[in-house]
Amino acid sequence: AQSVAQPEDQVNVAEGNPLTVKCTYSVSGNPYLFWYVQYPNRGLQFLLKYITGDNLVKGSYGFEAEFNKSQTSFHLKKPSALVSDSALYFCAVRDASGGSYIPTFGRGTSLIVHP
Amino acid sequence: EAGVAQSPRYKIIEKRQSVAFWCNPISGHATLYWYQQILGQGPKLLIQFQNNGVVDDSQLPKDRFSAERLKGVDSTLKIQPAKLEDSAVYLCASSFAGKNEKLFFGSGTQLSVL
Repeated sequence: AQSVAQPEDQVNVAEGNPLTVKCTYSVSGNPYLFWYVQYPNRGLQFLLKYITGDNLVKGSYGFEAEFNKSQTSFHLKKPSALVSDSALYFCAVRDASGGSYIPTFGRGTSLIVHP
Repeated sequence: EAGVAQSPRYKIIEKRQSVAFWCNPISGHATLYWYQQILGQGPKLLIQFQNNGVVDDSQLPKDRFSAERLKGVDSTLKIQPAKLEDSAVYLCASSFAGKNEKLFFGSGTQLSVL
């Protein structure tokens, strides 16, 4: 079975400060990991993914994520937050070695960037 | 490229009524997903299609929910009869066949059951 935990319902950060949105995962084999963002009244949009290789993955809008196998984490980061980054962020995982193509999503973290 | 199209955008029905949602995936995407997103929660998979075949429908409440993907392109999701707890946003997503491929989501259909 595969699962994702996003331990924070909400993250508050001041504009210009660095931000981190946390994600931990559980899979039987190796993981494929994803981050998606959801703006109000919109569907989810892909930000970045980790498949293999470099543990630091760069994605859209200046976001990056660091894969840590020993801690089974895939935290989303940005060096300098913008007010427009305020949205819901979802982490997702697929088991790379299993037969299912189905990604499992976390419950989401609301990011609020204050001016 | 055109995105994933869904309709209607909003739907309000009374409990025990029927409702249907439509999804047109991105051209060439073999895999299509229907997710249910209840307010305050992450998307929960209802059903996955690969072309016109069902890959996984283990979390679909089959006594009331049904879905089809005729000809391996468009898909419809139906609820009959609806319950209050079905109030949610129903998201359609598509991707190429690979397991490491990202999903492209539509804007969703917001269903309110009164």
